[in-house]
Amino acid sequence: AQSVTQLDSQVPVFEEAPVELRCNYSSSVSVYLFWYVQYPNQGLQLLLKYLSGSTLVKGINGFEAEFNKSQTSFHLRKPSVHISDTAEYFCAVSRYSGGYNKLIFGAGTRLAVHP
Amino acid sequence: NAGVTQTPKFRVLKTGQSMTLLCAQDMNHEYMYWYRQDPGMGLRLIHYSVGEGTTAKGEVPDGYNVSRLKKQNFLLGLESAAPSQTSVYFCATSYNEQFFGPGTRLTVL
Repeated sequence: AQSVTQLDSQVPVFEEAPVELRCNYSSSVSVYLFWYVQYPNQGLQLLLKYLSGSTLVKGINGFEAEFNKSQTSFHLRKPSVHISDTAEYFCAVSRYSGGYNKLIFGAGTRLAVHP
Repeated sequence: NAGVTQTPKFRVLKTGQSMTLLCAQDMNHEYMYWYRQDPGMGLRLIHYSVGEGTTAKGEVPDGYNVSRLKKQNFLLGLESAAPSQTSVYFCATSYNEQFFGPGTRLTVL
């Protein structure tokens, strides 16, 4: 069975500081990996995705993530955060199963950027 | 091009009442999904559909029913609402990646 673990439920950080949001997954087969962002009172928006190829994936708003197969991790990073990055971030894995692309979400990490 | 829309945005029900949540998409996607989001639990799949006229159970289907009579619409029904169904409900559609609606916040008293 697949699972996704987001190691931090909350991450406080000051504006312009770097940030890393950690995600580990368990799977015995190849997976696709995603990071979604949810701003307050909104739906989820795709930040970036890993399907294959280069292990360093760049997304929107200056975020990037690195797929590490040996450590089964897909950590999200940004070198300098803004107040507007305050949101909840979800890591997800996808595998084609039962006729559809099944998405398994982590519990989420709440990023709070302080001035 | 509205993408994925959900109706209503907010709703308060009393225990035992019924309601239907509507999801509509204009992206011509075959796959549609209903999730619920609860604090500390991420999103959990309730039901999904791989095409018009087909539906299937997800991870937490009990207490919900769905219908996909038209390709662009996916309805989520609660026949007899319970306080445990207080949650935020998200609809999504996909071709390769999933696109999410803005959510419906449901409170069951």
